[in-house]
Amino acid sequence: SQKIEQNSEALNIQEGKTATLTCNYTNYSPAYLQWYRQDPGRGPVFLLLIRENEKEKRKERLKVTFDTTLKQSLFHITASQPADSATYLCALDKDTGGFKTIFGAGTRLFVKA
Amino acid sequence: GAVVSQHPSWVICKSGTSVKIECRSLDFQATTMFWYRQFPKQSLMLMATSNEGSKATYEQGVEKDKFLINHASLTLSTLTVTSAHPEDSSFYICSASGYIRGSNEQFFGPGTRLTVL
Repeated sequence: SQKIEQNSEALNIQEGKTATLTCNYTNYSPAYLQWYRQDPGRGPVFLLLIRENEKEKRKERLKVTFDTTLKQSLFHITASQPADSATYLCALDKDTGGFKTIFGAGTRLFVKA
Repeated sequence: GAVVSQHPSWVICKSGTSVKIECRSLDFQATTMFWYRQFPKQSLMLMATSNEGSKATYEQGVEKDKFLINHASLTLSTLTVTSAHPEDSSFYICSASGYIRGSNEQFFGPGTRLTVL
């Protein structure tokens, strides 16, 4: 069955370091992959979308990679700040090129000052 | 731009009552709206997809008679939890999709916390 896996353990890092979060998926062939940020008690906020034919995408301090062979995406936050502390969700389109989005459970990031 | 609101932000109700949650796209027309449910420390689970003027499409395992969805206009969708029970207590989040900035993006509402006593 289709599955999205994100590290359920929280990631604790020191301010200024690079945070790297992993998203693995099985039995999918997504046309694109998205990363969202979710703060407690709030809805997700879109961060980045990367398409299947793109290897890497950047936006300010964020970088996403997409390896369709490994079925994995890495999400990097460089020069991390305490304000980056949140849960980060990986999401895929449910049906290849389709419109429904399926989310991973997310990884909680804590950035210490 | 691309703001989605939900109302109410939280609601507490007695078991057996019905609760309506509204989802509005404030500054764009949403061709499609999605409803999700999220339990603590779990992922968002897609419940249903609705297009304006047509019946919602429910995901497997979601009771359409229990979770009534009405997508009356391009800016409003409602989710009614009928005869709510404590196990329906959850965080309900809607998202709206429209053709903005050259692509179909999804924008999420802030969520509605439902507690059924």
